[in-house]
Amino acid sequence: GAVVSQHPSWVICKSGTSVKIECRSLDFQATTMFWYRQFPKQSLMLMATSNEGSKATYEQGVEKDKFLINHASLTLSTLTVTSAHPEDSSFYICSARDLGTGWADTQYFGPGTRLTVL
Amino acid sequence: AQKVTQAQTEISVVEKEDVTLDCVYETRDTTYYLFWYKQPPSGELVFLIRRNSFDEQNEISGRYSWNFQKSTSSFNFTITASQVVDSAVYFCALGRQAGTALIFGKGTTLSVSS
Repeated sequence: GAVVSQHPSWVICKSGTSVKIECRSLDFQATTMFWYRQFPKQSLMLMATSNEGSKATYEQGVEKDKFLINHASLTLSTLTVTSAHPEDSSFYICSARDLGTGWADTQYFGPGTRLTVL
Repeated sequence: AQKVTQAQTEISVVEKEDVTLDCVYETRDTTYYLFWYKQPPSGELVFLIRRNSFDEQNEISGRYSWNFQKSTSSFNFTITASQVVDSAVYFCALGRQAGTALIFGKGTTLSVSS
């Protein structure tokens, strides 16, 4: 089946630094990828929709200057948390839509990245 | 508005008990998709099932079964003879037209004790 990877799986950083998280579709092409954030014991909340070759679409309340998204190829999207603060500590999950499934929309989720900002 | 409600926050059962997780959704779309995911403590979402809005057939997969009823906008999930390994958070999600993100319910934490 289709596989989505994320790197790193966990990261600890100091307040004020920037962290880049990669999301890759390993065996399929994805024009659209989604970034979700999940706080402890809460549900997944959509942060932004990443489209290959164009600007990401951010959900209301998500700071686009703080969460930079780049979708430079059909298999890679990156999320950069700039000037991270402790409140950005969360579990970040990406998903990728498989073009090949046509109308039967299928999204595959990455394993997530746990970010801890000290 | 698109919305998914999982009214049960936490459920605790003893092994071998059957358990049903409820999911109620709201959408004005005529075509939509419904999903169930399992999230074990590791955090990785495990896909369980996808159901299209025009397919109301119930499905059984081993100890898992799903009951989709458009008339009540529900997509309930039953685990038969639960096991400790079933302990996890279960999310119901709604997908709109192709290419859009999923809308997740708040999740139900299932604890199965031996």
